[in-house]
Amino acid sequence: EIVLTQSPGTLSLSPGERATLSCRASQSVSNTYLAWYQQKPGQAPRLLIYGASSRATGIPDRFSGSGSGTDFTLTISRLEPEDVAVYYCQQYGSSPQTFGLGTKVEIK
Amino acid sequence: EVQLVESGGGLVQPGGSLRLSCAASGFTFSSYWMHWVRQAPGKGLVWVSRINSDGSSTSYADPVKGRFTISRDNAKNTLYLQMNSLTAEDTAVYYCARGVTVAFISPWSYWGQGTLVTVSS
Repeated sequence: EIVLTQSPGTLSLSPGERATLSCRASQSVSNTYLAWYQQKPGQAPRLLIYGASSRATGIPDRFSGSGSGTDFTLTISRLEPEDVAVYYCQQYGSSPQTFGLGTKVEIK
Repeated sequence: EVQLVESGGGLVQPGGSLRLSCAASGFTFSSYWMHWVRQAPGKGLVWVSRINSDGSSTSYADPVKGRFTISRDNAKNTLYLQMNSLTAEDTAVYYCARGVTVAFISPWSYWGQGTLVTVSS
């Protein structure tokens, strides 16, 4: 099973700042089958990024993904108050599909 | 509009059983792999089970293997999760989810609102 390690655990930034979230895999993620999800309190997860760098439908362009192999990054270029959430990475190319433990993004 | 609506959660005693349902609408249900994912209180997301489009292929996470059974009724556009021999570790919000595409390998773009299962005496 591929283990995904996300860092940092919590990120506290001011509005307008750049947020950089990391996801490291225990082994190479095949074909960049890596996704990022946003989950706000009391809500279901929302797909942001798939294929490591493709934005899902309706996702603002301030969200971007990059990386390959074992190291992946989600970047929020200019943090907005509504971006407060927990962000999870997921690999979906190997069974079982696995998630990281999440990075909580807070507004200072 | 794609909709997934879970039901069937609740309080159950250890060792008990529960059946969750996920009613799908707004898409051709019979074309898609479907998944169950759970989230224990304050914890992260964990994949539980998946089923292919016609129900002939299923897979389970190790912690639920032999206790949970996933199934579907394509005539009723409904996904099920039969959960037996429940323990406190099964306490979680259970989500059903659908892929972006009909392919086996696909991230999950549609999720239900979740149904809470609490296992406690």
